[in-house]
Amino acid sequence: QVQLQESGPRLVKPSETLSLTCSVSGGSITNYYWTWIRQPPGKGLEWIGYIYYSGSTNYNPSLKSRVTIPVDTSKNQFSLKLSSVTAADTAVYYCAGGQQLVTLDYWGQGTLVTVSS
Amino acid sequence: QSALTQPRSVSGSPGQSVTISCTGSSSDVGGYKYVSWYQQHPGKAPQVMIYDVSKRPSGVPDRFSGSKSGNTASLSISGLQAEDEADYYCCSHAGSYTSVVFGGGTKLTVL
Repeated sequence: QVQLQESGPRLVKPSETLSLTCSVSGGSITNYYWTWIRQPPGKGLEWIGYIYYSGSTNYNPSLKSRVTIPVDTSKNQFSLKLSSVTAADTAVYYCAGGQQLVTLDYWGQGTLVTVSS
Repeated sequence: QSALTQPRSVSGSPGQSVTISCTGSSSDVGGYKYVSWYQQHPGKAPQVMIYDVSKRPSGVPDRFSGSKSGNTASLSISGLQAEDEADYYCCSHAGSYTSVVFGGGTKLTVL
């Protein structure tokens, strides 16, 4: 069974770059869409973007100028980099994956990242 | 990028049935067969309950069903049980530029 685990700093200062890594275990990173989703405290889910194992990507238009999602197939990992963060970027960040873009079969447990000085 | 429109809350008694709607446009829900529904319990990661509008992953009870008409998708839950109490989110493909959009979420209360 595929399992995902997010890792990275839980506290980021305003204007800095938020960096998270998702480690994939129990299966290969190939042939899946790997996605980042976030959820501000008490609010709904927001799609951030995806990377296909081949390297193709697409991002939420509202975040596109600040987001990068790289993949490292040798380590079975993919990452999220969100630049110039503000308090509005405080959220639980989930990594997720599936064989279809909209069907996310596998989810990490989520990690709360707080943007504060 | 506008979220798909869902009712903020629905409720039902054990054994009853409820339906949650998800309204979008021809650019998302109405334009593709790729609509999924996710269940999220407090403090937990979401779990897919329906994909491709009406398909159920293995392990999801057949009390859960999905459908679509025009720009509106629906999730129906029959024989409500206490463990169904959760937040539900619809999710749709939205074209090559936007890719994916979520609904605002619906809180289901089992009375």
